[in-house]
Amino acid sequence: SQQGEEDPQALSIQEGENATMNCSYKTSINNLQWYRQNSGRGLVHLILIRSNEREKHSGRLRVTLDTSKKSSSLLITASRAADTASYFCATANNNDMRFGAGTRLTVKP
Amino acid sequence: NAGVMQNPRHLVRRRGQEARLRCSPMKGHSHVYWYRQLPEEGLKFMVYLQKENIIDESGMPKERFSAEFPKEGPSILRIQQVVRGDSAAYFCASSPVGDYGYTFGSGTRLTVV
Repeated sequence: SQQGEEDPQALSIQEGENATMNCSYKTSINNLQWYRQNSGRGLVHLILIRSNEREKHSGRLRVTLDTSKKSSSLLITASRAADTASYFCATANNNDMRFGAGTRLTVKP
Repeated sequence: NAGVMQNPRHLVRRRGQEARLRCSPMKGHSHVYWYRQLPEEGLKFMVYLQKENIIDESGMPKERFSAEFPKEGPSILRIQQVVRGDSAAYFCASSPVGDYGYTFGSGTRLTVV
């Protein structure tokens, strides 16, 4: 069954702007992960945040986690056309991992 | 380390034929997950396997679909008597024991004609 739900389903921004994507989930988790999928390609792991962490950075990526609200956000700063892709959140509970339906991000040059 | 290998990359089958999708996990990984991605949709969980065991198949259609992960060799997702609605990208992921970042294969794109 699905676990995470991304919001919005689609997002279109101009190059240089920031992009924020949200993910909500329903059950307890050990960690939450964000993935990117370029059209026609496999998934690429971006960042993992553990349930006892509140914020994590990796380059232009910033992820927050609010376990009380069961939600996470992914912020991409200073977006580039190459950031155009689908972004998925995945929740992990022990060895069980579930994905949301994804947010389709389009960055216009 | 070659990563998660899925083959074939593209598979075309006529309605009623069988499709076999293979996934070789990363070396040392004993957990395998299969996901299906329909056109314009997100990933949907299908099945979670460990060596020789199906742990969770709650996402598998009740009929025509089966999966295995034998002691030796790749994990196999088998679709019998394919129909046009089975056309999708099928992704496999593997992980070692634990819950950190999983590694995905590049997927198999199944087209049923």
